[in-house]
Amino acid sequence: DVKVTQSSRYLVKRTGEKVFLECVQDMDHENMFWYRQDPGLGLRLIYFSYDVKMKEKGDIPEGYSVSREKKERFSLILESASTNQTSMYLCASSSGGEDTEAFFGQGTRLTVV
Amino acid sequence: GQNIDQPTEMTATEGAIVQINCTYQTSGFNGLFWYQQHAGEAPTFLSYNVLDGLEEKGRFSSFLSRSKGYSYLLLKELQMKDSASYLCAQSQAGTALIFGKGTTLSVSS
Repeated sequence: DVKVTQSSRYLVKRTGEKVFLECVQDMDHENMFWYRQDPGLGLRLIYFSYDVKMKEKGDIPEGYSVSREKKERFSLILESASTNQTSMYLCASSSGGEDTEAFFGQGTRLTVV
Repeated sequence: GQNIDQPTEMTATEGAIVQINCTYQTSGFNGLFWYQQHAGEAPTFLSYNVLDGLEEKGRFSSFLSRSKGYSYLLLKELQMKDSASYLCAQSQAGTALIFGKGTTLSVSS
């Protein structure tokens, strides 16, 4: 069974903290993605990666960075958390080209106080 | 990002048919995905259309018109468990899926 695992379901962090969100997939997928999901705004793409050590900015990369040192792991980093980064964060992975479905993790609900 | 439009909310009753529309910008378009997301859960894949026409999969069907930049998801014989958000997403060469804001469907008895 395919699996995308995010390290935490719920996180509470303080303003200014450096936050790491981890995502691991066991499907040997080349592509990995980070989205955030907010009411009324839907899923918005933060960063994506097509290969190890490669990254591309999505629509809303400001305040975030990513790391992909191994094929199966894609980390999202909030350099200095702010309250407007309170959100649901969803990781996804897919194989091959643009016509392959993405598999999502269960999400991390991050609250920044 | 690309502009993808779908209704915010829809309501329907058990046993009915509902059509959820999605319009997108055709520039750079590759294909159109539909995902289902129950509250508190991850989105799950429903369908993918790359050619014009209707794709049927059980109670769910999806339609695409590439020239009109239009798709719809058709749900037949609605059940309570179909209450969820339905996400339209556009694939384009060289980038990740771009999602619409989602349509929340409420099915009542």
